Amino acid sequence: DAGVTQSPTHLIKTRGQQVTLRCSPKSGHDTVSWYQQALGQGPQFIFQYYEEEERQRGNFPDRFSGHQFPNYSSELNVNALLLGDSALYLCASSSISGRRMGEQFFGPGTRLTVL
Amino acid sequence: GQQVMQIPQYQHVQEGEDFTTYCNSSTTLSNIQWYKQRPGGHPVFLIQLVKSGEVKKQKRLTFQFGEAKKNSSLHITATQTTDVGTYFCVATGANNLFFGTGTRLTVIP
Repeated sequence: DAGVTQSPTHLIKTRGQQVTLRCSPKSGHDTVSWYQQALGQGPQFIFQYYEEEERQRGNFPDRFSGHQFPNYSSELNVNALLLGDSALYLCASSSISGRRMGEQFFGPGTRLTVL
Repeated sequence: GQQVMQIPQYQHVQEGEDFTTYCNSSTTLSNIQWYKQRPGGHPVFLIQLVKSGEVKKQKRLTFQFGEAKKNSSLHITATQTTDVGTYFCVATGANNLFFGTGTRLTVIP
């Protein structure tokens, strides 16, 4: 049983560019959440997708957008990259829907560096 | 917004010593989760506490939820080098998680 997978593992971009990160949830899970973790900090919630729609959003600008596909996989897009967007981007999946959050299974993350 | 603070921020212990991290919320929590993140790794779920005053044990780990459901603690007895990592308490919202500031544990062999 594959856990949560993310691609790519590492990514280097320059300011102003756009990036797309991908996530496949754990088998049987239908909900995907994205988090940004800056070095030495705790993960910060970006948004969550369920049934191909954004359910809730954290305090992130519109440059951060996402998508969920019918197979429950998800993408995170970041436009007009800033140096401060350099971080580990974590995807987490769960099977909770319409209820309070339960256990989240995290992927290994994508390390984004913006130069 | 949700504020979850943890103390201490860092803790160095000798292998075999005990370790405790404390978590405090500015608001009453419906429940609280704990995650562990190894250096270079991703957060891994440890446990969820729901009831006021709840105490749960996992081998050498003891988790407690305060009576007022505003604080929680994680206690590790007789630490081992495998306990190294950052421990996060996490407040759960309807559709998201609010991670605490974390306590980074270093175990000296």
